Amino acid sequence: ILNVEQSPQSLHVQEGDSTNFTCSFPSSNFYALHWYRWETAKSPEALFVMTLNGDEKKKGRISATLNTKEGYSYLYIKGSQPEDSATYLCAFSDYTDKLIFGTGTRLQVFP
Amino acid sequence: EAQVTQNPRYLITVTGKKLTVTCSQNMNHEYMSWYRQDPGLGLRQIYYSMNVEVTDKGDVPEGYKVSRKEKRNFPLILESPSPNQTSLYFCASSFEAGNTEAFFGQGTRLTVV
Repeated sequence: ILNVEQSPQSLHVQEGDSTNFTCSFPSSNFYALHWYRWETAKSPEALFVMTLNGDEKKKGRISATLNTKEGYSYLYIKGSQPEDSATYLCAFSDYTDKLIFGTGTRLQVFP
Repeated sequence: EAQVTQNPRYLITVTGKKLTVTCSQNMNHEYMSWYRQDPGLGLRQIYYSMNVEVTDKGDVPEGYKVSRKEKRNFPLILESPSPNQTSLYFCASSFEAGNTEAFFGQGTRLTVV
């Protein structure tokens, strides 16, 4: 079974701090890397889907980078706000049509 | 509104009593899948479907069945539920497998006693 690892498991930051988390995935047979935001009592929602080495995506204060050769992706949040509090999931896809999720990074932003 | 609809949202049942969790999407997506989420384990794929009448096992298919008779519907069937199937279940759909974003249903919290 393919392994997708996320670190840290949880993170507590103050409002206004910038933060980042890591997703590690197999570097062979790479097809796509996804990031999702999952708020408590809601469903995961897509942030980014990245397919090319060196891809950088941005949505507001959130951005992500991708390194397929070494098998990692970073998610950055600039100037964290309490509404950013959520679990951030990454998911790896190879050519087998499956999507393998990491266990997530739980972010709490305190006012 | 584009959405994936799961029912029921909550279900408590007894061991061995067959149940079905429905999933429907209105986005004409080809790819649909079922996941279960357990503490500390993340989302694990149960079954997926590339298109009508095409289904395949994910990483944890034991004890589950699915069908894809129409493009929009992908029900999850537990023929004889057991307590170890107590979990939070999500249905998801996407335009294609792997490289397009997945849209998730609201989740179904199942308890088997």
